[in-house]
Amino acid sequence: AQKVTQAQTEISVVEKEDVTLDCVYETRDTTYYLFWYKQPPSGELVFLIRRNSFDEQNEISGRYSWNFQKSTSSFNFTITASQVVDSAVYFCALRLYYGGSQGNLIFGKGTKLSVKP
Amino acid sequence: DSGVTQTPKHLITATGQRVTLRCSPRSGDLSVYWYQQSLDQGLQFLIQYYNGEERAKGNILERFSAQQFPDLHSELNLSSLELGDSALYFCASSATGTTNEKLFFGSGTQLSVL
Repeated sequence: AQKVTQAQTEISVVEKEDVTLDCVYETRDTTYYLFWYKQPPSGELVFLIRRNSFDEQNEISGRYSWNFQKSTSSFNFTITASQVVDSAVYFCALRLYYGGSQGNLIFGKGTKLSVKP
Repeated sequence: DSGVTQTPKHLITATGQRVTLRCSPRSGDLSVYWYQQSLDQGLQFLIQYYNGEERAKGNILERFSAQQFPDLHSELNLSSLELGDSALYFCASSATGTTNEKLFFGSGTQLSVL
């Protein structure tokens, strides 16, 4: 069965600190996609990044970076120089290539990040 | 703004009642998804439609049903409501429903069953 684990339930940092959100996934499939979504206090889910299982290149987008390691089944997310506006719940999700009931987004429980001024 | 519109934003009802949640996908998107977010279960996939046809089914209760209309909007019907159905219900859309697509989520409908 497929599963996504975000072991950190809540993280609190002070503005300008770097913070890493962990994500570990489980699947026996070789083709899959990994996603990160952000849920700010307003409640909507905002897409941040998609990565396919064959692309292990790390990605950087401004203050955000993602580290994908198939060897450890991890897809970690780092925010550099955090800001108060980064306060949100962050979800990691897995989606299998072959679709069906398991081929839709399987979300982790989320990590609530609080950035204090 | 994701372009996905959900109405109503909030819904308060009583046990045993029936409600309908509505979703309009992003312009041009053919696939619609419904997710439920609750404190104990987290975000769970309910059902997916593509161009009016059901494509995939997740953990959707028999008391719940959905459909996608010819104009591509979708409705999620919840009946015989129980206290445990209180949750945030999200609709999402994507262009063709293939598994590599990112989903664009609406702002959700907060359902409170009293």
